[in-house]
Amino acid sequence: SQTIHQWPATLVQPVGSPLSLECTVEGTSNPNLYWYRQAAGRGLQLLFYSVGIGQISSEVPQNLSASRPQDRQFILSSKKLLLSDSGFYLCAWSPQQGVGETQYFGPGTRLLVL
Amino acid sequence: SQKIEQNSEALNIQEGKTATLTCNYTNYSPAYLQWYRQDPGRGPVFLLLIRENEKEKRKERLKVTFDTTLKQSLFHITASQPADSATYLCALIGSQGNLIFGKGTKLSVKP
Repeated sequence: SQTIHQWPATLVQPVGSPLSLECTVEGTSNPNLYWYRQAAGRGLQLLFYSVGIGQISSEVPQNLSASRPQDRQFILSSKKLLLSDSGFYLCAWSPQQGVGETQYFGPGTRLLVL
Repeated sequence: SQKIEQNSEALNIQEGKTATLTCNYTNYSPAYLQWYRQDPGRGPVFLLLIRENEKEKRKERLKVTFDTTLKQSLFHITASQPADSATYLCALIGSQGNLIFGKGTKLSVKP
């Protein structure tokens, strides 16, 4: 069966510090991968998605970036965090049939920028 | 522009009653619609998918309807239980082919 991992589970970082969140998927190959942010009281905001190694599409211009160095690894990064980057970050995967197929989410990372 | 609205931020019902959640959309012609459940501090979990040519889909105590004329989906939980308390999200395929989520409805089932 497929599983998706995210770490760390929680993170407290000062403004201006760098960020690296990691997501890995097991039990499937060539998945579509996604990064979402969920701010308090707001819906899921798609940040990035990837249909293959090295292929990243950005939905929202911001100080975040994403990379996919391996088929089942997706990394969210920032060089300098802003207060507004606080939120709940979710990684998800879907089968390769199409970008809009059912998505399976990881446990999330709670980020607090102070 | 395309919009998804779950017009109740919160819904409180008594145990045993049927919960009905609404998802409306505009400027879409989705081929299918999905419903997810999200518990506090956790990622959403897929529940049901209904296609445009299906009027109704059932899974245990869950029922979803899809009315493409009204541009609306209804999500029902029959014989609701306190364990059903969670936030429920609807999702549609956007024009870019990505899944777009509503903001969710927080359901509270009181014993």
